[in-house]
Amino acid sequence: QQPVQSPQAVILREGEDAVINCSSSKALYSVHWYRQKHGEAPVFLMILLKGGEQKGHEKISASFNEKKQQSSLYLTASQLSYSGTYFCGTEGTGGGADGLTFGKGTHLIIQP
Amino acid sequence: DAGVTQSPTHLIKTRGQQVTLRCSPISGHKSVSWYQQVLGQGPQFIFQYYEKEERGRGNFPDRFSARQFPNYSSELNVNALLLGDSALYLCASSPLGGTRTGELFFGEGSRLTVL
Repeated sequence: QQPVQSPQAVILREGEDAVINCSSSKALYSVHWYRQKHGEAPVFLMILLKGGEQKGHEKISASFNEKKQQSSLYLTASQLSYSGTYFCGTEGTGGGADGLTFGKGTHLIIQP
Repeated sequence: DAGVTQSPTHLIKTRGQQVTLRCSPISGHKSVSWYQQVLGQGPQFIFQYYEKEERGRGNFPDRFSARQFPNYSSELNVNALLLGDSALYLCASSPLGGTRTGELFFGEGSRLTVL
């Protein structure tokens, strides 16, 4: 039940836009997005909750389609600092504290 | 303010040995979670603790155990190490204690290599 992320990797020029997708086969309560740079800890970007509530960094935008169990992360006017691996983590609608189930990640490289 | 701190940062063990990893959460955070990250993969949930009680457990064998102390720090223990236990072990703290996962603040991890 690991979410599937696409694309696996993307290379952009600085200033270009990117969309990273996350798809799950199970009913979701929330989708979380994190960015991890090589050798560093994952850093929180955004939470999207069932029902439409969102919390995250101002310069990051994302969407959550509850019916399709899909989320997309939108990176606009990319900067060199956006490089890293992006993970989506999902939380199901069950009541247990099961933590997040992360996808395999999307590698983003921003070139000057 | 200090972030989540983990120790040791790197360690090497041999098969069959036991290891203890330590985590100090951000001050004021009462929830600690542990994740295992194998190279090239996303983190995989191992445990969540809140107020010294186990709140959730991922799909890991009983060789994995953890505990949380009154000061909210936590230890992860792995017994009878296998080669497949080689991974980055991440600790994350959160101010939330419910069954739902909020914003997680990750430490930089403990890199375990099993030979």
